[in-house]
Amino acid sequence: RKEVEQDPGPFNVPEGATVAFNCTYSNSASQSFFWYRQDCRKEPKLLMSVYSSGNEDGRFTAQLNRASQYISLLIRDSKLSDSATYLCVTDSSYKLIFGSGTRLLVRP
Amino acid sequence: DTAVSQTPKYLVTQMGNDKSIKCEQNLGHDTMYWYKQDSKKFLKIMFSYNNKELIINETVPNRFSPKSPDKAHLNLHINSLELGDSAVYFCASSSQEEGLDTQYFGPGTRLTVL
Repeated sequence: RKEVEQDPGPFNVPEGATVAFNCTYSNSASQSFFWYRQDCRKEPKLLMSVYSSGNEDGRFTAQLNRASQYISLLIRDSKLSDSATYLCVTDSSYKLIFGSGTRLLVRP
Repeated sequence: DTAVSQTPKYLVTQMGNDKSIKCEQNLGHDTMYWYKQDSKKFLKIMFSYNNKELIINETVPNRFSPKSPDKAHLNLHINSLELGDSAVYFCASSSQEEGLDTQYFGPGTRLTVL
């Protein structure tokens, strides 16, 4: 079983739509959780950390459910520039474990 | 004024050759990493150095040898390249102050072994 699992997508949504991604992790000892964004042929960049109480950054909301071991990312009012691959990330033994990403395509 | 830089950006070489990839960060971070992203897009850590000391060494073939001449540089030397080494290699860095989990990635080196 992969340590971090994500639906690869692609999620194809119109501009203005709300879209949500989930990811599950297998290590119950994981303490830190993140969403990274990776544009095509570019490096990953930190989008936001995920806190137990849930957190919001503009149009982006991240939630953590420790009991079920899943993390979610909600994007409201999607923009064309949101098109990218979203990587779910946890930590394990002092290193980051990346999911393979969920691809989002926002169409005009 | 690039924060984390890598050279070369692209590397095409024949099987059996030896090649090096260089990484430099000007963020003043004390921890640097090498990751490999394969064709399935999985990004996996290979090595991590803290203040020039190796702290993470995943199950990577010993044909891969990292070297950190100082805490701003982490190079990766690969001997006897194989087809399966074709991937994008990312360097990253982080600091204790910001949290080791907040990592800044370089632009990647796309390695193609023919």
